[in-house]
Amino acid sequence: EVQLVESGGGLVQPGGSLRLSCAASGFSFSIYSMNWVRQAPGKGLEWASYISSSSSTIYHADSVKGRFTISRDNAKNSLYLQMNSLRAEDTAIYYCAKDGIMGMDVWGKGTTVTVSS
Amino acid sequence: DIQMTQSPPSLSASVGDRVTITCRASQSIGSYLNWYQQKPGKAPELLIYAASSLQSGVPSRFSGSGSGTDFTLSISSLQPEDFATYYCQQSYSIPRTFGQGTKVEIK
Repeated sequence: EVQLVESGGGLVQPGGSLRLSCAASGFSFSIYSMNWVRQAPGKGLEWASYISSSSSTIYHADSVKGRFTISRDNAKNSLYLQMNSLRAEDTAIYYCAKDGIMGMDVWGKGTTVTVSS
Repeated sequence: DIQMTQSPPSLSASVGDRVTITCRASQSIGSYLNWYQQKPGKAPELLIYAASSLQSGVPSRFSGSGSGTDFTLSISSLQPEDFATYYCQQSYSIPRTFGQGTKVEIK
Protein backbone atom coordinates (compact mmCIF):
# COMPACT_ATOMS: atom_id res chain seq x y z
CA GLU A 1 0.00 0.00 0.00
CA VAL A 2 1.29 3.44 -0.95
CA GLN A 3 1.57 5.42 2.26
CA LEU A 4 3.07 8.48 3.89
CA VAL A 5 3.07 8.75 7.68
CA GLU A 6 4.07 11.95 9.42
CA SER A 7 5.29 12.21 13.00
CA GLY A 8 7.04 14.61 15.33
CA GLY A 9 4.36 17.22 15.86
CA GLY A 10 3.45 18.60 19.25
CA LEU A 11 3.24 21.64 21.49
CA VAL A 12 6.27 23.92 21.48
CA GLN A 13 6.93 27.37 22.91
CA PRO A 14 7.56 30.36 20.64
CA GLY A 15 11.19 30.39 19.60
CA GLY A 16 11.48 26.65 20.02
CA SER A 17 12.36 23.91 17.56
CA LEU A 18 10.73 20.77 16.27
CA ARG A 19 11.70 18.12 13.72
CA LEU A 20 8.98 16.51 11.64
CA SER A 21 9.44 13.16 9.92
CA CYS A 22 7.55 11.50 7.10
CA ALA A 23 7.97 7.78 6.45
CA ALA A 24 7.21 6.59 2.94
CA SER A 25 6.24 3.08 1.88
CA GLY A 26 4.76 1.30 -1.10
CA PHE A 27 6.49 3.34 -3.81
CA SER A 28 10.01 4.18 -4.99
CA PHE A 29 10.57 7.11 -2.66
CA SER A 30 14.05 7.88 -3.97
CA ILE A 31 12.90 8.87 -7.46
CA TYR A 32 10.24 11.39 -6.43
CA SER A 33 10.38 14.97 -5.29
CA MET A 34 8.53 15.68 -2.07
CA ASN A 35 6.75 18.58 -0.41
CA TRP A 36 5.65 19.79 2.98
CA VAL A 37 2.27 21.52 2.88
CA ARG A 38 0.70 23.09 5.93
CA GLN A 39 -2.77 24.19 6.96
CA ALA A 40 -3.40 26.63 9.79
CA PRO A 41 -6.60 26.12 11.79
CA GLY A 42 -9.60 27.04 9.65
CA LYS A 43 -7.40 28.18 6.76
CA GLY A 44 -6.43 26.92 3.31
CA LEU A 45 -3.49 24.89 2.12
CA GLU A 46 -0.08 26.57 2.11
CA TRP A 47 2.89 25.01 0.34
CA ALA A 48 5.92 25.23 2.66
CA SER A 49 8.90 23.34 1.24
CA TYR A 50 10.08 21.25 -1.73
CA ILE A 51 12.98 18.88 -2.19
CA SER A 52 14.00 17.09 -5.36
CA SER A 53 14.67 13.35 -5.45
CA SER A 54 18.42 13.73 -5.02
CA SER A 55 18.19 16.72 -2.64
CA SER A 56 19.95 18.83 -5.25
CA THR A 57 17.08 21.32 -5.44
CA ILE A 58 15.42 22.75 -2.35
CA TYR A 59 12.90 25.54 -2.02
CA HIS A 60 11.14 27.07 0.95
CA ALA A 61 8.21 29.46 1.08
CA ASP A 62 9.15 33.00 2.07
CA SER A 63 7.13 32.57 5.27
CA VAL A 64 9.51 29.84 6.52
CA LYS A 65 12.75 30.66 4.71
CA GLY A 66 15.73 30.87 7.05
CA ARG A 67 13.85 29.04 9.82
CA PHE A 68 12.78 25.72 8.28
CA THR A 69 14.99 23.18 6.50
CA ILE A 70 13.71 20.30 4.42
CA SER A 71 15.84 17.20 3.98
CA ARG A 72 15.51 13.54 3.08
CA ASP A 73 17.22 10.19 3.56
CA ASN A 74 16.50 7.97 0.57
CA ALA A 75 18.12 4.97 2.26
CA LYS A 76 15.52 5.27 5.02
CA ASN A 77 12.62 6.31 2.75
CA SER A 78 12.16 9.33 4.94
CA LEU A 79 11.49 13.05 4.58
CA TYR A 80 12.19 15.61 7.30
CA LEU A 81 11.38 19.19 8.20
CA GLN A 82 13.57 20.90 10.78
CA MET A 83 11.66 23.85 12.18
CA ASN A 84 13.52 26.46 14.23
CA SER A 85 12.52 29.83 15.69
CA LEU A 86 8.90 28.77 15.70
CA ARG A 87 6.18 31.40 15.82
CA ALA A 88 2.51 31.30 16.72
CA GLU A 89 1.67 31.63 13.01
CA ASP A 90 3.44 28.33 12.34
CA THR A 91 0.65 26.54 14.20
CA ALA A 92 -0.83 24.18 11.63
CA ILE A 93 -1.29 20.65 10.45
CA TYR A 94 1.78 19.69 8.45
CA TYR A 95 1.33 17.26 5.57
CA CYS A 96 4.00 15.58 3.52
CA ALA A 97 3.00 15.00 -0.08
CA LYS A 98 4.58 13.22 -3.04
CA ASP A 99 5.30 15.73 -5.77
CA GLY A 100 4.69 15.53 -9.47
CA ILE A 101 3.88 17.73 -12.43
CA MET A 102 0.65 15.76 -12.49
CA GLY A 103 -0.23 16.76 -8.97
CA MET A 104 0.49 15.66 -5.44
CA ASP A 105 -1.04 12.22 -5.64
CA VAL A 106 -0.06 10.83 -2.23
CA TRP A 107 -0.56 12.65 1.06
CA GLY A 108 0.00 11.69 4.65
CA LYS A 109 -2.66 12.22 7.31
CA GLY A 110 -0.71 15.09 8.79
CA THR A 111 0.92 15.95 12.09
CA THR A 112 -0.19 18.86 14.25
CA VAL A 113 2.20 21.56 15.39
CA THR A 114 1.05 24.01 18.04
CA VAL A 115 3.24 26.97 18.94
CA SER A 116 2.08 28.50 22.18
CA SER A 117 3.37 29.55 25.57
CA ASP B 1 5.74 33.36 -7.89
CA ILE B 2 2.53 32.31 -9.63
CA GLN B 3 -0.62 33.38 -7.80
CA MET B 4 -3.75 31.22 -8.00
CA THR B 5 -7.14 32.86 -7.53
CA GLN B 6 -10.24 30.75 -6.99
CA SER B 7 -13.86 31.81 -7.11
CA PRO B 8 -16.23 31.75 -5.45
CA PRO B 9 -14.80 31.34 -1.91
CA SER B 10 -17.92 29.41 -1.01
CA LEU B 11 -21.17 28.29 -2.53
CA SER B 12 -24.39 26.65 -1.42
CA ALA B 13 -25.94 24.01 -3.61
CA SER B 14 -28.43 21.19 -3.48
CA VAL B 15 -27.96 17.52 -4.20
CA GLY B 16 -28.27 17.06 -7.95
CA ASP B 17 -27.13 20.58 -8.86
CA ARG B 18 -24.38 21.28 -11.34
CA VAL B 19 -21.52 23.16 -9.69
CA THR B 20 -18.67 25.08 -11.32
CA ILE B 21 -15.58 26.47 -9.60
CA THR B 22 -13.07 28.65 -11.38
CA CYS B 23 -9.34 29.11 -10.89
CA ARG B 24 -7.16 31.75 -12.51
CA ALA B 25 -3.37 31.79 -12.63
CA SER B 26 -1.39 35.02 -12.59
CA GLN B 27 0.57 33.83 -15.65
CA SER B 28 0.23 31.07 -18.19
CA ILE B 29 0.77 27.61 -16.73
CA GLY B 30 -0.22 25.54 -19.75
CA SER B 31 -2.18 22.59 -18.44
CA TYR B 32 -0.18 22.20 -15.21
CA LEU B 33 -3.25 22.65 -13.05
CA ASN B 34 -4.53 20.21 -10.45
CA TRP B 35 -7.67 20.05 -8.30
CA TYR B 36 -7.96 18.61 -4.80
CA GLN B 37 -10.90 17.78 -2.55
CA GLN B 38 -10.59 18.10 1.21
CA LYS B 39 -13.17 16.94 3.71
CA PRO B 40 -13.15 18.15 7.34
CA GLY B 41 -10.43 16.51 9.40
CA LYS B 42 -8.95 14.73 6.39
CA ALA B 43 -5.94 15.22 4.15
CA PRO B 44 -6.52 16.62 0.66
CA GLU B 45 -7.03 14.14 -2.16
CA LEU B 46 -6.08 14.63 -5.80
CA LEU B 47 -9.18 14.77 -8.01
CA ILE B 48 -7.97 16.04 -11.37
CA TYR B 49 -4.46 16.51 -12.75
CA ALA B 50 -3.17 18.19 -15.88
CA ALA B 51 -6.30 20.36 -15.97
CA SER B 52 -8.66 17.67 -17.24
CA SER B 53 -7.45 14.16 -16.36
CA LEU B 54 -9.43 12.30 -13.74
CA GLN B 55 -7.37 10.68 -11.01
CA SER B 56 -7.98 6.95 -10.68
CA GLY B 57 -11.09 6.17 -8.66
CA VAL B 58 -12.64 9.63 -8.97
CA PRO B 59 -16.29 9.57 -10.14
CA SER B 60 -16.98 10.73 -13.69
CA ARG B 61 -19.32 13.47 -12.48
CA PHE B 62 -16.13 15.47 -11.81
CA SER B 63 -14.52 17.16 -14.77
CA GLY B 64 -11.90 19.81 -15.38
CA SER B 65 -11.14 22.11 -18.26
CA GLY B 66 -9.00 25.04 -19.27
CA SER B 67 -5.47 25.94 -20.19
CA GLY B 68 -3.17 28.91 -19.96
CA THR B 69 -4.56 31.01 -17.12
CA ASP B 70 -8.23 30.06 -16.77
CA PHE B 71 -9.51 26.76 -15.47
CA THR B 72 -12.75 25.25 -14.20
CA LEU B 73 -13.78 22.32 -12.05
CA SER B 74 -17.30 21.07 -12.63
CA ILE B 75 -19.45 18.60 -10.75
CA SER B 76 -22.29 17.52 -13.00
CA SER B 77 -24.71 16.31 -10.32
CA LEU B 78 -23.71 17.10 -6.77
CA GLN B 79 -23.83 14.17 -4.39
CA PRO B 80 -23.94 14.26 -0.55
CA GLU B 81 -20.32 13.07 -0.35
CA ASP B 82 -19.16 15.98 -2.54
CA PHE B 83 -19.73 18.60 0.13
CA ALA B 84 -16.16 19.61 0.86
CA THR B 85 -13.55 22.25 0.14
CA TYR B 86 -11.88 22.26 -3.27
CA TYR B 87 -8.43 23.67 -4.07
CA CYS B 88 -6.64 24.31 -7.32
CA GLN B 89 -2.84 24.10 -7.45
CA GLN B 90 -0.29 24.79 -10.16
CA SER B 91 2.55 22.37 -10.83
CA TYR B 92 4.17 24.51 -13.56
CA SER B 93 6.83 25.88 -11.24
CA ILE B 94 8.11 26.04 -7.69
CA PRO B 95 6.59 27.27 -5.37
CA ARG B 96 3.66 24.91 -5.86
CA THR B 97 0.98 27.49 -5.11
CA PHE B 98 -2.60 26.69 -4.14
CA GLY B 99 -5.77 28.65 -4.62
CA GLN B 100 -7.57 29.90 -1.50
CA GLY B 101 -10.16 27.14 -1.69
CA THR B 102 -13.89 26.92 -2.44
CA LYS B 103 -16.15 25.50 0.23
CA VAL B 104 -19.17 23.70 -1.19
CA GLU B 105 -21.98 23.65 1.35
CA ILE B 106 -25.45 22.16 1.46
CA LYS B 107 -28.28 24.54 0.60
